[in-house]
Amino acid sequence: DAGVIQSPRHEVTEMGQEVTLRCKPISGHNSLFWYRQTMMRGLELLIYFNNNVPIDDSGMPEDRFSAKMPNASFSTLKIQPSEPRDSAVYFCASSFESDTEAFFGQGTRLTVV
Amino acid sequence: AQTVTQSQPEMSVQEAETVTLSCTYDTSESDYYLFWYKQPPSRQMILVIRQEAYKQQNATENRFSVNFQKAAKSFSLKISDSQLGDAAMYFCAYRSNTGKLIFGQGTTLQVKP
Repeated sequence: DAGVIQSPRHEVTEMGQEVTLRCKPISGHNSLFWYRQTMMRGLELLIYFNNNVPIDDSGMPEDRFSAKMPNASFSTLKIQPSEPRDSAVYFCASSFESDTEAFFGQGTRLTVV
Repeated sequence: AQTVTQSQPEMSVQEAETVTLSCTYDTSESDYYLFWYKQPPSRQMILVIRQEAYKQQNATENRFSVNFQKAAKSFSLKISDSQLGDAAMYFCAYRSNTGKLIFGQGTTLQVKP
């Protein structure tokens, strides 16, 4: 398997624009996580899906952020409208069952100017 | 809600020496899983070691071992015979029995030649 695949690797956008980050989990995995990493806040869990259903979205910062998982092989994280403070590295991770480790994608570095 | 705390933002060790990274967590659960992840400058998240809470025996992976103290809710990582390639940010992580996976703030480890 190619591992968790995220796209794009880098994204630069202007304030106010919509940004969509994409993730393809490892085949067979039934849990998917979205994280945001910044120097100030570390690695924050934004949302967690199990079997395509959002289980915990308490980490989603505000209504500008939304995440979907329409099927077992694809998830998106959307920011609309984007703001400079959204600049960070966004990671997607997946795992097979709740007791195993999560495997991470390479991350998307988002810069909002 | 569970929390993970890493109180050492930065640590340094001489090559070939031993270093211990600290982690404490807070939970009311009895069954859970703990992990240490390594993030080198490439930003890829790499699993170092895992520990099941129901196991009393401390996990070991080559030069990496943990000191798991369940009653004290402590989970430290010991790196023996430190190598230059061990330089990275290290994250302690907690996975609940509901599947949620959260991370500490991270400890940056510097290895001096």
